[in-house]
Formats: sequence, C-alpha cells, structure tokens
Amino acid sequence: GESVGLHLPTLSVQEGDNSIINCAYSNSASDYFIWYKQESGKGPQFIIDIRSNMDKRQGQRVTVLLNKTVKHLSLQIAATQPGDSAVYFCAENPSYSGYALNFGKGTSLLVTP
Amino acid sequence: NAGVMQNPRHLVRRRGQEARLRCSPMKGHSHVYWYRQLPEEGLKFMVYLQKENIIDESGMPKERFSAEFPKEGPSILRIQQVVRGDSAAYFCASSPSRTEQYFGPGTRLTVT
Repeated sequence: GESVGLHLPTLSVQEGDNSIINCAYSNSASDYFIWYKQESGKGPQFIIDIRSNMDKRQGQRVTVLLNKTVKHLSLQIAATQPGDSAVYFCAENPSYSGYALNFGKGTSLLVTP
Repeated sequence: NAGVMQNPRHLVRRRGQEARLRCSPMKGHSHVYWYRQLPEEGLKFMVYLQKENIIDESGMPKERFSAEFPKEGPSILRIQQVVRGDSAAYFCASSPSRTEQYFGPGTRLTVT
C-alpha cells in the first residue's frame, strides 16, 4: 500500500557537521509534506513544511528538498548541535485524504561532541 | 500563548476499564486531530474533528473507540473496555486550517 518510509533508522553526526535525513514516499497524490522533531517523552515539534509546487524551502539552519520525480524528501540541518538530537519524522498529506497526516517511522539523530 | 494541552499526561487503566483522554487546541484553532504512537513507531492518524463534527474517522478502530469535540470544552478521545494492545502514546494536534499541525505533549496510556 501507499507508505512513507525513511532510509536510515539512526544517524550519528559530530557537533558542527551538517546532517541530512532522507525520506521516501510512494503516494504520488501527496502535495504537502512536513518534517517534525520529537524529543523523548514529548510531542512532535513542527520544523518545516513544503508544498509540492516547490523544490526547496529554507528555514533557520534547516532546508527541505523535495524531488517529486523520485518521490524523495530530505531534511538538511546545518551546523548540527547537541540540542538537535531527537527522532525526526517526515509526514505527508495526500491531497485526497483531507487533513490526515501519514507519518514515516522516524530517524534517530544523535549528535556527538 | 499556550500550545496544545493534553491531560492526563500519564494514565494507567486495568483491562476492561474506560480511558478518557482530553485535548484543548491552541487558541484560534478549530481543527483537532488524534494520533496514536506505538514504541519506536511513527504516528498513526485516528480521527479529525471540527467543532461538533467528526470529519474523518478513517483511522479509528470500529469498536470501543470514539471521539468528540463539543461546542464548549476540550476534545475527548474515549476508549471503552481497554485491552493491553491499547497501550500507546496518544497525541492530539490542532491547526487553524489545512496547514501545519501543532502537537500536544501526549497522553501515555498503560493498560495493566
């Protein structure tokens, strides 16, 4: 069935390096994507979103890239900090599904000093 | 500027009891969503509500689960006759429209 999945379950980076978290989606009808960060014991925190009419969107230290041809989404975090350690989820919103978000399983990012 | 509020944060129920989870959306948000998260899993959509209306309940189990968002007061997710498989974190999110959804801290339900 349609699904959202992440390529890597865990990612370890050194403080100050850039991080790239990838996400593949299979639903070509998806037109809205969001990245969330979830720290242990907390709810998901909105990071950045992108609509399907865009290829790239930048925020503070974060960039989301969308490649609709290969149905791939990535989150880039510049100058990764220890506070960035968390689980990162990509979520998609298929245009036909109304408002429900379809989440991937998550990538655990560990930032080492 | 309070965010989405959920209570209780932790709830322990014995098998067969009822669980009631409450969610107060952010001020000005009229859209409420409930999601369930199992350990080391992503969130799974359950139901989407607007005031006094269930818009999409395609992710809700057919039995024992119900949700409401009354004109006054918080949204309630109700689980009747809980079983061990209901143990999970339940998250509520709200949004002003079809935009980013803001999540609450969750209710961790443990069924013993």
